[in-house]
Amino acid sequence: QKEVEQNSGPLSVPEGAIASLNCTYSDRGSQSFFWYRQYSGKSPELIMSIYSNGDKEDGRFTAQLNKASQYVSLLIRDSQPSDSATYLCAVPRGSGGSYIPTFGRGTSLIVHP
Amino acid sequence: EPEVTQTPSHQVTQMGQEVILRCVPISNHLYFYWYRQILGQKVEFLVSFYNNEISEKSEIFDDQFSVERPDGSNFTLKIRSTKLEDSAMYFCASSEDRRPYSNQPQHFGDGTRLSIL
Repeated sequence: QKEVEQNSGPLSVPEGAIASLNCTYSDRGSQSFFWYRQYSGKSPELIMSIYSNGDKEDGRFTAQLNKASQYVSLLIRDSQPSDSATYLCAVPRGSGGSYIPTFGRGTSLIVHP
Repeated sequence: EPEVTQTPSHQVTQMGQEVILRCVPISNHLYFYWYRQILGQKVEFLVSFYNNEISEKSEIFDDQFSVERPDGSNFTLKIRSTKLEDSAMYFCASSEDRRPYSNQPQHFGDGTRLSIL
């Protein structure tokens, strides 16, 4: 069973701080990794994708990938109360030609003023 | 910005009845997907659809489920003989390209909340 693991949280950070969200995956063949944000009762919204080892920055968001450790993380700088949501890590299965993402359970982030 | 639209937003159905969930994908997208999310649980893939046929399906997508693209715009999920455990949020998604490297993400609709009584 190919798994994507996330700490369910909640992760609580003060406004302006850096929030660090982590994800591990079991399929060594996985080549692409996605972070989605899901507000309560709403649909997932793609915020970051990363394919290569290292860091990828987009505004206040930085995705970090370490394929050797099977670990992908999302950093949110200058966290805002509007960032309070559940963050889903999604990893397509690397084998068998499937591109369908397997989602983690998500980490609930609370940014308090 | 174009978006995926789903109807209805909330569907209440008696156990054992059939239900059809409807989706209008983004017009130039070629790949369509259904996911479900049981309350408090993770998003689960059900089925993907391309060129008028199923391209992948999960173990959840058994004979109780079917998908159809009856015309050029709608994409439907039919659930027959609904059970209590079918209660969930059902998300439709579409993408231009299914390849993860193509930077063409899946765009999700707002979902249909299905409640089976």
